[in-house]
Amino acid sequence: KNEVEQSPQNLTAQEGEFITINCSYSVGISALHWLQQHPGGGIVSLFMLSSGKKKHGRLIATINIQEKHSSLHITASHPRDSAVYICAGQSNTGNQFYFGTGTSLTVIP
Amino acid sequence: DARVTQTPRHKVTEMGQEVTMRCQPILGHNTVFWYRQTMMQGLELLAYFRNRAPLDDSGMPKDRFSAEMPDATLATLKIQPSEPRDSAVYFCASGDLRDGDVVFTDTQYFGPGTRLTVL
Repeated sequence: KNEVEQSPQNLTAQEGEFITINCSYSVGISALHWLQQHPGGGIVSLFMLSSGKKKHGRLIATINIQEKHSSLHITASHPRDSAVYICAGQSNTGNQFYFGTGTSLTVIP
Repeated sequence: DARVTQTPRHKVTEMGQEVTMRCQPILGHNTVFWYRQTMMQGLELLAYFRNRAPLDDSGMPKDRFSAEMPDATLATLKIQPSEPRDSAVYFCASGDLRDGDVVFTDTQYFGPGTRLTVL
């Protein structure tokens, strides 16, 4: 069993829809990262959070430490949001990252 | 516009050859990471450096991989000898780590990656 599980694996949405990607983890972590990987392969770090909620533009990331769960929300989705979204838990010692397998998002115009 | 650069972007080599990948982190960042991404394993952290010193390389196969930071503007990842199973995209990222802290204070900035194919 992976230390970090993401759902769904694949997601197709209509432009404008509200999107939620979930990440659950089974190990102790000090922080959780959300990454976005574009179709060309480039990776962008979206959020690093250890508690509560962060917002950047149309993206919102939340984490519930007690439930070991994080969500990434995209409001008013747009085709340019099409990418693979990866969550990664950073170990308590800081020297390991536990990566989810990614959620492939396609937003249709 | 500060960004992490990596060279080469693509590398095709034959099994047994030495491969060196280079990364220039964002000026002022004190931490450099090396990741590997494959279809089978996804993203894996290989090693990371803080202030040019290796902080952890437990994710890296020791027998053939080596990572160094000759200076603050250059990080290298070397594979010798290379094997077909090393075929992957290797990403470098840089960021900031506060003194005495293991939690990063900022997001990581990823380079474009080096796509390595070992035949």
